[in-house]
Amino acid sequence: DTEVTQTPKHLVMGMTNKKSLKCEQHMGHRAMYWYKQKAKKPPELMFVYSYEKLSINESVPSRFSPECPNSSLLNLHLHALQPEDSALYLCASSQSVRGGGTDTQYFGPGTRLTVL
Amino acid sequence: AQRVTQPEKLLSVFKGAPVELKCNYSYSGSPELFWYVQYSRQRLQLLLRHISRESIKGFTADLNKGETSFHLKKPFAQEEDSAMYYCALSAYNNNDMRFGAGTRLTVKP
Repeated sequence: DTEVTQTPKHLVMGMTNKKSLKCEQHMGHRAMYWYKQKAKKPPELMFVYSYEKLSINESVPSRFSPECPNSSLLNLHLHALQPEDSALYLCASSQSVRGGGTDTQYFGPGTRLTVL
Repeated sequence: AQRVTQPEKLLSVFKGAPVELKCNYSYSGSPELFWYVQYSRQRLQLLLRHISRESIKGFTADLNKGETSFHLKKPFAQEEDSAMYYCALSAYNNNDMRFGAGTRLTVKP
């Protein structure tokens, strides 16, 4: 399996809901990422997990809560979101080879989130 | 902090014409540069990276540290090259990837 999968493809939620986005990869990658992409804008990095530990948090509001239960799974828990959080949420993974170099990131198809 | 600039939001060329998508970066350390591409209704995928120094689908890009540029070039554009192209930068040995604003390339028949 050489793909990153994301579920659900689409999600509509109210501002008081709690929901989760899921990302999975079976390529043996040890780094996983969440990006947010607004329409006609580039992806913006939110979180990076390296070897199941949170290594980068780009000052994301606490209503977004990432979780990496194991090396293949990455979740993004959503609570009390705002309409401006509506966007495409992309997951990516990379090999995260320690010792030098930056790895190619492999992207999932994204979850399109709409907050009402 | 690293920054990536892609000055052209839109670029249109005719099939068979040369194409160059510009990318300039700002970073004081050792950068790693990438070009990612997104074809219509497909996921974002790597096109090439500077350390590989290879040609993918006829595209090449050379890192010019003096001009802080990593322009993407292809001598003869094809219609199937029409896509959104993002230049991206990471600090060496760092997974913090920054994307440029992107250039939408349209290759006309």
